[in-house]
Formats: sequence, C-alpha cells, structure tokens
Amino acid sequence: GNSVTQMEGPVTLSEEAFLTINCTYTATGYPSLFWYVQYPGEGLQLLLKATKADDKGSNKGFEATYRKETTSFHLEKGSVQVSDSAVYFCALSDPAQKVTFGIGTKLQVIP
Amino acid sequence: GAGVSQSPRYKVAKRGQDVALRCDPISGHVSLFWYQQALGQGPEFLTYFQNEAQLDKSGLPSDRFFAERPEGSVSTLKIQRTQQEDSAVYLCASSRRANTEAFFGQGTRLTVV
Repeated sequence: GNSVTQMEGPVTLSEEAFLTINCTYTATGYPSLFWYVQYPGEGLQLLLKATKADDKGSNKGFEATYRKETTSFHLEKGSVQVSDSAVYFCALSDPAQKVTFGIGTKLQVIP
Repeated sequence: GAGVSQSPRYKVAKRGQDVALRCDPISGHVSLFWYQQALGQGPEFLTYFQNEAQLDKSGLPSDRFFAERPEGSVSTLKIQRTQQEDSAVYLCASSRRANTEAFFGQGTRLTVV
C-alpha cells in the first residue's frame, strides 16, 4: 500500500535559518504530493502541492519538488519566521482520492 | 458555508456510550472524507463519500464505526460502544470534485473515559 515517511521532530530553528523537512513516499502509479500545515489550535491547511514528476510546489516562501527518481518531496524554506511554527504533514493522494499522511514534523522557530 | 464545519469541537464520552460527530462540508462540494488523528500521529483515512455514495470505507477500524451522508451534504460519523482507543481527533474534509484540493475542518476531539 501507499506510505509516507517524514523526519520526526521536533525541529527547532532560530529565526531566519534554512529549513528542510525530508519526506519520501511509496506508492503505486503516479500520486499527487502535498504538504499540509497545522498551526496551533487550527485545522489542517494545504500549504503546497505537486501533481507530476519535476513539478515544484511553492507557497509563502516554502518549496518542494516532486522527485520521482528518489520518491521524495522535501520541504524547504530559505528563511523561517516565528510565525512558521506549526506541524507540517507530507501527504500523497492516489487516483481513488484517498490521502495518506506522514506522522507530521513539529517545527519550532525561536526568535 | 465559508469552510468545513464540525461539531461538537470537543466530546467526552464514557466507555460504552454511543457518539455522533457531525460534518458540514463546503456548499457544493461533492467529495467528503473522514480521518482519525491520534495524538502525535498523522491523520488516518477512515472513509470517503462522493455525494451520498460511500465509495470507500476501508479505513473504518471496526463495525462499531458507521458513517452516512444521506442527502449528499451533511455527514455523520457514529461510533457505537466507544472504547478508550477511540480517543482521537476526528477530521472531516471536503473537495469540490475528484482530484481537487481538500479543505479540512477543525476536527472533533473525542475523549473516552
């Protein structure tokens, strides 16, 4: 079956540091890939997505590139802010609409 | 509505009680999903509706879990004879149609004591 593996947190960074959260996946066929974010006390929000190989999703300074050859979708941001503190989930969607999530990585950015 | 609405936000149930969790999807959204998120884990798929048809219920953990969406809009997730391991946040999501972005509600936190 499908699965998503992402680095376990928590990840603690100073403001303006570079962020990478690794994510790899196992899937049959050609899934769509997502990063969701969950801010404290709020629901899951879609951060970015990529629907085919070599696509780059980007939003709010975050980027991730769909790498089919390495089955990866690593999340990056060049300069994190305190307001980026949240839990980040890597996920994939199969053609049958079922979304499989990773366990989430908690990011804490300190001033 | 403006977003996916779930109620109640919090529910405490005594072991053995039945509970019903409600999801109001975004108006006009065809697809509706239920997920279960245990503490410190990612959401786990429970079931999926397209309009009123339940197309996938492979993630429901036992026959104590039942979901319905009789008119293709509001959905209810029912858990019978709740057990402590049912304690989790139950998330509902909807999307306009297949292969489009899913929008999540804030979830219902169920605690079984």
